[in-house]
Amino acid sequence: QSALTQPASVSGSPGQSITISCTGTSSDVGSYNLVSWYQQHPGKAPKLMIYEGSKRPSGVSNRFSGSKSGNTASLTISGLQAEDEADYYCCSYAGSSTFFGGGTKLTVL
Amino acid sequence: QVQLVESGGGLVKPGGSLRLSCAASGFTFSDYYMSWIRQAPGKGLEWVSYISSSGSTIYYADSVKGRFTISRDNAKNSLYLQMNSLRAEDTAVYYCARAAAGTEGDAFDIWGQGTMVTVSS
Repeated sequence: QSALTQPASVSGSPGQSITISCTGTSSDVGSYNLVSWYQQHPGKAPKLMIYEGSKRPSGVSNRFSGSKSGNTASLTISGLQAEDEADYYCCSYAGSSTFFGGGTKLTVL
Repeated sequence: QVQLVESGGGLVKPGGSLRLSCAASGFTFSDYYMSWIRQAPGKGLEWVSYISSSGSTIYYADSVKGRFTISRDNAKNSLYLQMNSLRAEDTAVYYCARAAAGTEGDAFDIWGQGTMVTVSS
């Protein structure tokens, strides 16, 4: 198995909404409701933004939402803000293994 | 304050060994699955290994199977990664991370600051 597939980059203007997709297979994303999303700013450790596909940890803005359809999970950020500019990674459990996506660089124009 | 602090990184020659440690504080360490996750310079995240709360269940990524060994000492609130037969492609920042709800497959809610491992002659 290999990493989950994410677009290399996405961009949006302040106030807009963007969606990042994460495509896996029936062995990972499609089989488990255990997709998570992480935000990483340069030189920092990743931060959990979404877990179990659509749940937000305490303290994470409700501008961040997650969903899943079949083998593809998605992260939507609404009302883009400058501080949202970062790398975003999806992650899925795959039964005795875990896979990350290749990462998506979000640029806020 | 919930915290994970890694140590033990450094420069090692190809074929060499290194042992990473991760000290946990601010939570009941023995209740949680733990993982090591790495990130090569300029690259994405790669899951390396999982260990259950008791240490009885362990998984590895194919890329490190047979070379790396994960372990934990719940009495010392510590997680370890013994890395043998190191290769240039193992060069990365190594993070320890906590599985959120203490069960297999959970998201990683707490991360350490990372420790850099460089494999080079």
